[in-house]
Order: sequence, then C-alpha cells, then structure tokens
Amino acid sequence: ELQLVESGGGLVQPGRSLRLSCAASGFPFDDYAMHWVRQAPGKGLEWVSGISWNGGGIDYEDSVKGRFTISRDNAKNSLYLQMNSLRAEDTAVFFCAKDIGTGYGKYDRYLDLWGRGTLVTVSS
Amino acid sequence: FMLTQPHSVSESPGKTVTFSCTRSSGSIASNYVQWYQQRPGSAPTLLISEDSDRPSGVPDRFSGSIDTSSNSASLTISGLKTEDEADYYCQSYDSSIWVFGGGTKLTVL
Repeated sequence: ELQLVESGGGLVQPGRSLRLSCAASGFPFDDYAMHWVRQAPGKGLEWVSGISWNGGGIDYEDSVKGRFTISRDNAKNSLYLQMNSLRAEDTAVFFCAKDIGTGYGKYDRYLDLWGRGTLVTVSS
Repeated sequence: FMLTQPHSVSESPGKTVTFSCTRSSGSIASNYVQWYQQRPGSAPTLLISEDSDRPSGVPDRFSGSIDTSSNSASLTISGLKTEDEADYYCQSYDSSIWVFGGGTKLTVL
C-alpha cells in the first residue's frame, strides 16, 4: 500500500527547534522528489520545501529559508524537515507529499500522494 | 501569479456544482492545473491532474477543464453526494514557484 506517515510534531516554544520525519512505503522512494506542505489552523495549503530524488536539488519557501532544512535518507525511505528558530506563525499541520517526478528537468509539478500530517504548535 | 477561488459553495445532493480557479497573471494554459480534495480532518488527495485527468480511483462524477477566455480552471462535480462535502484546492507550478488557491469549501445540504 502506498503510504506516507509523518511524525515528530508537538508543542514547542518560540525560538526552539523541532525535527519532522516522514516514513514512505509502497513505492520506490528513491525515484521521486518529495515535499513538505503546511496548513495553518483554518487556512489553506502552503508549500514549504522540496528535495529531488537524490537530494541534489532543494528549494524552500521564502519565509523558512535559513531556518528550515529538508533532507532525505533513501536507504531508510525517509524524509526529514529540521525546523530551527520556530515562530508562532509556523504553527500548522505539516504534510509530507510525493512529487510525480524526480525533481529534475522542466515539468509541471504536482503531488500525487500525501501523508495525514503532523501538528506543530509554536507557543510559549 | 495567484490562483483565486471562491470561499464557499453550497448545493443540494444530486445536483451539479462547478468551482472556479482564476489565474491572476500569465495564461492558465501555460502550466497544468491540479485539484485536490480535503475532507474534514484528513489529508488532501489528488482529484484532477494536468487540467482534466482523473487519477485511478477517482469517480467520473469529477471533471476538470480550463477556459482561456476567462483565464480560469474549473472543477465540476455531478450527482453530488454528502461525502463530497470538503475543501477543494487548485494548484499550479511554474519555474520553481508552487501556487495553491485559497480553497473552496463545498457544503452539500
């Protein structure tokens, strides 16, 4: 079964760090780019970061540049998001999502598999 | 560019409803539009890809299209069911920029 399962969310104080993980199964993880998308309470979807199949290509949304780091371990079929210097406005459900392609080349990207998400709450 | 969706739509079971997704700049035909369904408390799922393709398992009650004259994409759901009550998001991608619409909340009553 195709599946993405996020973990690592929780309550954290402003300025602190948190590391999210995403375990993939049911598909060849190392063939696809992967992404993190977040959804603030009652709000819409916002793309956060993406990584190519081999980790060589990485992008971030402007508000998280310099604070968040995406990485992957293809041997463990896992995706990660290290979040530092967290702010109240980072409070959201974070979804792990699979790209339709490798992350290289010119193609219109979209996400064909999503996890159930993990809630990150930044509050003192 | 931005993708603008109506905030909410209501319709009765059995009816047909159409959502719009209007691109603010550049042609709607320049990049594929996708639609995602998000039921309450659940993850989004891909509903329509590449303007009008239905992934495996998506009922043919769901259809997508684009209209270059209005520079918008549309999602149509026919034979509405109460289980269709959800938020629907359009999405497009261009030159490393991911754009999601703000979402439309569908109420089936």
